[in-house]
Amino acid sequence: DAGVIQSPRHEVTEMGQEVTLRCKPISGHDYLFWYRQTMMRGLELLIYFNNNVPIDDSGMPEDRFSAKMPNASFSTLKIQPSEPRDSAVYFCASSLMVGFADTQYFGPGTRLTVL
Amino acid sequence: AQSVAQPEDQVNVAEGNPLTVKCTYSVSGNPYLFWYVQYPNRGLQFLLKYITGDNLVKGSYGFEAEFNKSQTSFHLKKPSALVSDSALYFCAVGNAGNMLTFGGGTRLMVKP
Repeated sequence: DAGVIQSPRHEVTEMGQEVTLRCKPISGHDYLFWYRQTMMRGLELLIYFNNNVPIDDSGMPEDRFSAKMPNASFSTLKIQPSEPRDSAVYFCASSLMVGFADTQYFGPGTRLTVL
Repeated sequence: AQSVAQPEDQVNVAEGNPLTVKCTYSVSGNPYLFWYVQYPNRGLQFLLKYITGDNLVKGSYGFEAEFNKSQTSFHLKKPSALVSDSALYFCAVGNAGNMLTFGGGTRLMVKP
């Protein structure tokens, strides 16, 4: 298996622009997680899905952030409009159906820079 | 609420010496405990986990961790450090029905 795939790996954009981050989970994994990593705040869970349904989005910082999972093999995290404080590394992770005792497998991340 | 503490921002060790990266946790019920490693410009990689059973858990790359319920600790250890072990290490805790909570990370520096 190729593991969790994220694209793009790097994104540089200007303040106010829309940014879309993409994730393909490991085939057969029913849970998908979006995290954000910054020096100041460490690793934060933004949202997670179970069987394509958003379960908990309490970590999404504000309405500018939205996430979708239209099918079992694809998810997007969108920021509109983007701001410099959104600059961070965004990780996607997936795990099997058994839930929170199960290992999460992380993608390589997308490094977002908002100028 | 569950929480994880990694009290050391950085651990320095000489190559060949044993290493310990500390982790303590707070959670209701039986804990699920994980260690992940992050190399520069990479995602987090799973090292090992404790769910139930033997308190000493062996993982990838020669790492092991010991679950200590009375001290609510899950320290990561390796008998002989390698320069290539230099990375950022994260401890995480969860339990049935709850998401994983990650610690702030500990940077391990192994010097030749």
